[in-house]
Amino acid sequence: AQKITQTQPGMFVQEKEAVTLDCTYDTSDQSYGLFWYKQPSSGEMIFLIYQGSYDEQNATEGRYSLNFQKARKSANLVISASQLGDSAMYFCAMREGGWTGNQFYFGTGTSLTVIP
Amino acid sequence: NAGVTQTPKFQVLKTGQSMTLQCAQDMNHEYMSWYRQDPGMGLRLIHYSVGAGITDQGEVPNGYNVSRSTTEDFPLRLLSAAPSQTSVYFCASSYRSQPNKPQHFGDGTRLSIL
Repeated sequence: AQKITQTQPGMFVQEKEAVTLDCTYDTSDQSYGLFWYKQPSSGEMIFLIYQGSYDEQNATEGRYSLNFQKARKSANLVISASQLGDSAMYFCAMREGGWTGNQFYFGTGTSLTVIP
Repeated sequence: NAGVTQTPKFQVLKTGQSMTLQCAQDMNHEYMSWYRQDPGMGLRLIHYSVGAGITDQGEVPNGYNVSRSTTEDFPLRLLSAAPSQTSVYFCASSYRSQPNKPQHFGDGTRLSIL
C-alpha cells in the first residue's frame, strides 16, 4: 500500500483564488510528521509547512495552511490568494518511526498551475 | 551558508560504468538520505544514514551502495550503471532528534545512462 497518496496529478487555479491540494497517508505509528514541499521548475525542493501527529491545531505558515484530519488520515495543503509564483509541483511527505523516525515517504506530487 | 552540496549537477554515463555522487552538509545533521526522482513517481528513498558508520536501505536500494565515514559526507555509488538508473538524484539531511524540522535538500544531480 502507498504510504502517501496524492490523487491530483494536475490542478489549475485562478490567480488570487484559494486552492486545496489533497494528501492522504497510511501509517500505524502514533508519532509521525507530515510535510509539504514545493518544487518549482528550477528543481529545488522548498519546505513549506509541517504538521505533527500530536498537534491539535492545524499548522499555518503565511498563505499556506494544512488541513489535518487525523481520523481520515488526510493532510491537505491549502494555498490562499494564489500567485503566479505558486505554479510548481507540490509533494506531501511523511516521517514515521517515532520522534526520531528514519523513514521519509513522498507522494507522487501535484502539479499546480496558476492562471492569470 | 552552504547547506547540502551535491556534485556533480549533471552526468552522462555509459552502461556498465561506475561513478560516485557526492553529498556534503555543513549543518551537523545526523540524518542523511538519498532519493531518486522519476516522472510520475515522486521521490523514492534509496539509502539513508542516522550517523557516521550507520547506513540502511530504503525503498529502492538495488544497484546502489553508500557509506558514511563522517557526519558531513554521504556519497552514493553506482557500481555498474544501467539505463534504469537514469534519474534525478537528491541528497537530503536533517536533525534526527528534531522531527518537526524539515529535511534540507541539495540541488540534485541529473544522471543519464546511455
